[in-house]
Amino acid sequence: DQQVKQNSPSLSVQEGRISILNCDYTNSMFDYFLWYKKYPAEGPTFLISISSIKDKNEDGRFTVFLNKSAKHLSLHIVPSQPGDSAVYFCAVPHHDKVIFGPGTSLSVIP
Amino acid sequence: DAGVIQSPRHEVTEMGQEVTLRCKPISGHNSLFWYRQTMMRGLELLIYFNNNVPIDDSGMPEDRFSAKMPNASFSTLKIQPSEPRDSAVYFCASSRLEETQYFGPGTRLLVL
Repeated sequence: DQQVKQNSPSLSVQEGRISILNCDYTNSMFDYFLWYKKYPAEGPTFLISISSIKDKNEDGRFTVFLNKSAKHLSLHIVPSQPGDSAVYFCAVPHHDKVIFGPGTSLSVIP
Repeated sequence: DAGVIQSPRHEVTEMGQEVTLRCKPISGHNSLFWYRQTMMRGLELLIYFNNNVPIDDSGMPEDRFSAKMPNASFSTLKIQPSEPRDSAVYFCASSRLEETQYFGPGTRLLVL
């Protein structure tokens, strides 16, 4: 059973608009969340994180929002740029491991 | 820092052959992870090591897969014998304990 879910396998957004990528999790004990970004032919790279003591974390064009009661988080990219086109993984460190969601492929159209 | 190094970057082999994938983690990192990425299953954790010791290999699909970490700067993932369904991209990642993982560029394996 998937503990970290990303229900949208793909998303297309016009350049300059906002991209919103969603992630849901099942375990209310999870208290730290990560977003990774992956370009083709490269490994995933860490993008941004959020701790459960916060409901928002911002880094430049990237903001992650956490709704603990709904067990939901989202990554907002604004404004979206063509270079943001990649696969985005939501991930949760759990014990010594990291549990990854299945990823959402974002295409930013010029 | 060179980051996590994986070799080879691409491997094409025939069914039944032995395949060995190699990983050099970032110096100073004491955790190492092997992942497999496929279209069907996404990014799956196969096995991870802490301080060169295998901690959890529950993700290893079957006995044809084995992994070793003889020292802090080297790990191998071996498939013997390989099968077409093993075709995937295999990633190695390393981290300091419970900190952010850094991924290598991956090895793209094709078993014919």
